This record gives sequence, C-alpha cells and structure tokens, in this order.
Amino acid sequence: SAVISQKPSRDICQRGTSLTIQCQVDSQVTMMFWYRQQPGQSLTLIATANQGSEATYESGFVIDKFPISRPNLTFSTLTVSNMSPEDSSIYLCSVDGGSNYEQYFGPGTRLTVT
Amino acid sequence: LAKTTQPISMDSYEGQEVNITCSHNNIATNDYITWYQQFPSQGPRFIIQGYKTKVTNEVASLFIPADRKSSTLSLPRVSLSDTAVYYCLVGIYNQGGKLIFGQGTELSVKP
Repeated sequence: SAVISQKPSRDICQRGTSLTIQCQVDSQVTMMFWYRQQPGQSLTLIATANQGSEATYESGFVIDKFPISRPNLTFSTLTVSNMSPEDSSIYLCSVDGGSNYEQYFGPGTRLTVT
Repeated sequence: LAKTTQPISMDSYEGQEVNITCSHNNIATNDYITWYQQFPSQGPRFIIQGYKTKVTNEVASLFIPADRKSSTLSLPRVSLSDTAVYYCLVGIYNQGGKLIFGQGTELSVKP
C-alpha cells in the first residue's frame, strides 16, 4: 500500500484567488490522479498526472483552471485558479496501486471559496 | 466503462448482515467489479474486487452471478464504524487507471 498526504488539509479562500494543493506519496508511483468531490456528491476525476508528461484532463476540466505539476515520482500539485464559490469542494489525490482498479487516496483538501 | 446503479441509502442495525446490490447490465467481458468505502472526511478505501462467483476477504464478501450483470457486497455483522458510503465500480485497469465513481450507497448503522 501507499501512504499519501495532502497539504493543506483545508482552506478558506476569497474568490478570484488561486490555491495550490500538494500531494506527497511515500513511494514512487507512475500514475497519480486528482479528483473533486462536491458537497454531498460522488467523486469526479479531474485529471491524470504522469511524471514527465503533461496531465490528461477529463471532459469539463481545463489546464488553465486546474494546472497540475508532476515533478517527480512521489509528488504532484493541483492549482485551483481564479476561484469562485462553485469551486468549493474536497480535492483528493490518489495513486495507482498496481492492480486492477486498486488506488490509494489521500485524506483530501477541503476548500471553501467565499 | 459500464454504468452502475446502486441504492442511494440503506439503514441497518449493529450485528446485522448488510447486502448492497449493484446493477451493471452492460458490463464488458474484461471488466472487473470493485467496491470502495468512504468514511466522512476521508478518501475512499479499496474494499474488495472480483470477476465472477464469490470473493471473500477479512472485510467483506462479493457475490457475482454467472451473467455478471449485478453484484452484491456483503458486510457481515456490521458495527457503527461501518457507517460510510459504498461505491461499486466496474471497469478494467488498462483504461488508464481511471476510476469512475457512481453515486454510491450511504449506509447508516444504528445501535
């Protein structure tokens, strides 16, 4: 298994600003994923981040709004840019567990935009 | 990826067995069935995965009929700490590792 930490655990931000969320894994992994979970809702995949290549975004998510960095095999960041109240969500990162559909998730970052 | 349908919520009492059924009528030949559990304020956690018949681990059992168009997650003798949202996912790993979460089933265990 993998142990994943995220920073910050929560934040309250003003609209129009940006927040960068960090995801740290205790082992080297090929694939990292970023999800969004809006209040009371299920998880939605934002993008897949592989080290050494550009992130692949899902429909409805764009790089200008959610730029992602993946500088090495244990770390990734997700930036939520030009925030609005609709961006208030929990943002989670996960890593590939190496077997069919087993992924390990971080504890999430709870973002509130006022 | 196959779409899944689960009950939105279920209630149970401590000590009971809970069965959560997931429908996935358009499951493909190579698809696996995977269940995740999410406690409040935590990320989802892998519970169990199967392809056909029955799979059992220390947490749960997964029953898959021959046609694989549905599956049932069975939690034996639940406790209050089993209160969580349970997600059924269907797909194959080489889809880029994507996990497509459905709405999930919110299980509430009462004393």
